[in-house]
Amino acid sequence: GAVVSQHPSWVICKSGTSVKIECRSLDFQATTMFWYRQFPKQSLMLMATSNEGSKATYEQGVEKDKFLINHASLTLSTLTVTSAHPEDSSFYICSATGTSGSGEQYFGPGTRLTVT
Amino acid sequence: TQLLEQSPQFLSIQEGENLTVYCNSSSVFSSLQWYRQEPGEGPVLLVTVVTGGEVKKLKRLTFQFGDARKDSSLHITAAQPGDTGLYLCAGARGSGSRLTFGEGTQLTVNP
Repeated sequence: GAVVSQHPSWVICKSGTSVKIECRSLDFQATTMFWYRQFPKQSLMLMATSNEGSKATYEQGVEKDKFLINHASLTLSTLTVTSAHPEDSSFYICSATGTSGSGEQYFGPGTRLTVT
Repeated sequence: TQLLEQSPQFLSIQEGENLTVYCNSSSVFSSLQWYRQEPGEGPVLLVTVVTGGEVKKLKRLTFQFGDARKDSSLHITAAQPGDTGLYLCAGARGSGSRLTFGEGTQLTVNP
């Protein structure tokens, strides 16, 4: 149980285009989903917290107009990187919390974004 | 700011050796999770500790939560090459809340 999927697993796009990444909780309902960015051999950096049906809460320094987050249902959240630039190239990971009450987050497999 | 200091950041050992990774904070957490991540994949949850002083064992891995719920440790006995990966500790303050991550420990176990 507690499986989180991400799609696509990797994507290459041209500078100036937009890319959408999907995060799905497959076997549980996730009222809260989180989006992270990770650079090689570093820890995870939280970008935003997404609650179903409400606006995402962005961390300081993360541009909400550039990283659009939609959490339309209890099993799906999307991250859209708008007008992507090479510096947006990174590993993006989502996570979702279950209902156990212990604060555990279950992570997706990540999406490798390369902007050329 | 809820900082979680994790050490060491890098660790390279020989197969069969023991090791300990530490996570320390000045803040109290309601729970603390340990994750292991391999390159190109998402972190995988190893264990959650909730009670102060709690000790959990997962085969050769022993996890401990400090009495004050501010620190935790991960001890690996007789490390194997398959243990290689990035180990992350993360503290939570309540269900559904954001996690505070440590900086990670990149472990390499050489055969």
